[in-house]
Amino acid sequence: GENVEQHPSTLSVQEGDSAVIKCTYSDSASNYFPWYKQELGKGPQLIIDIRSNVGEKKDQRIAVTLNKTAKHFSLHITETQPEDSAVYFCAASIRGNTGFQKLVFGTGTRLLVSP
Amino acid sequence: DAGVIQSPRHEVTEMGQEVTLRCKPISGHDYLFWYRQTMMRGLELLIYFNNNVPIDDSGMPEDRFSAKMPNASFSTLKIQPSEPRDSAVYFCASSFGRGTTEAFFGQGTRLTVV
Repeated sequence: GENVEQHPSTLSVQEGDSAVIKCTYSDSASNYFPWYKQELGKGPQLIIDIRSNVGEKKDQRIAVTLNKTAKHFSLHITETQPEDSAVYFCAASIRGNTGFQKLVFGTGTRLLVSP
Repeated sequence: DAGVIQSPRHEVTEMGQEVTLRCKPISGHDYLFWYRQTMMRGLELLIYFNNNVPIDDSGMPEDRFSAKMPNASFSTLKIQPSEPRDSAVYFCASSFGRGTTEAFFGQGTRLTVV
C-alpha cells in the first residue's frame, strides 16, 4: 500500500508547551521517514529525518521517534515558539511499481503556537 | 545554488487554455519530482524523473497532463486543456539519489483556472 496517515490535522498549543504529531505507514519496506515544515507561501522544507535503522533522532528542540514494528513515527517539538507555527508533513519512502523508492506524504498538521 | 526555481509563481488562466509550468532543479541532482497540493488531497506526487527519464507517472491525473525533462536543468508540466479542478499549487522538487534522500522543493506555482 501507499498510505501515510497523519494526526492531528490541526494542533493549537501555548508557547512553551510541547507538540506531538503522529504518522502511520503501510509499506513494511519503507526505510526513510522525513518531516517537512511548510510556511505560508513557501515550499516544504526538511526539518529532520530518520532511517529505519535508528529508533530516535534529536536536533535541538525537535525529535523524531520510529517504531518499525507498529509502523508509526512521531515528531516532537519541545518549548514551542510562535515561529514554529506552520504546516508539518510527514513522509515515508514507498517502493513504487517501478521498483524505485518515492516519497508519499501525510495530509499535514497545521500547528498554531499562541504567545 | 539558488535552489529549485519554478516559474511562474502565479498563473491565472481561462478554462480550456494550455498551461505550462517550468522548473529548474538544483544542479547535480538526478531526481526531479512534480507534486500537486490541494486542501482536499494534500501533497500528491504526479510524476518523477531519474536522469531526465520519466520513472513513474502513475500519479498524473489524466491525459490532459504531460511532463517533460529535455535536459538535466529543465522540466515542464503542461496541462491542455485546463479545467477549474486543476486549480492548485504545483511544486517541483529535486534530490540527489533515490527517494530516500532529502527532496528540495521550489516555491511552487499557484494555478487558478477560471
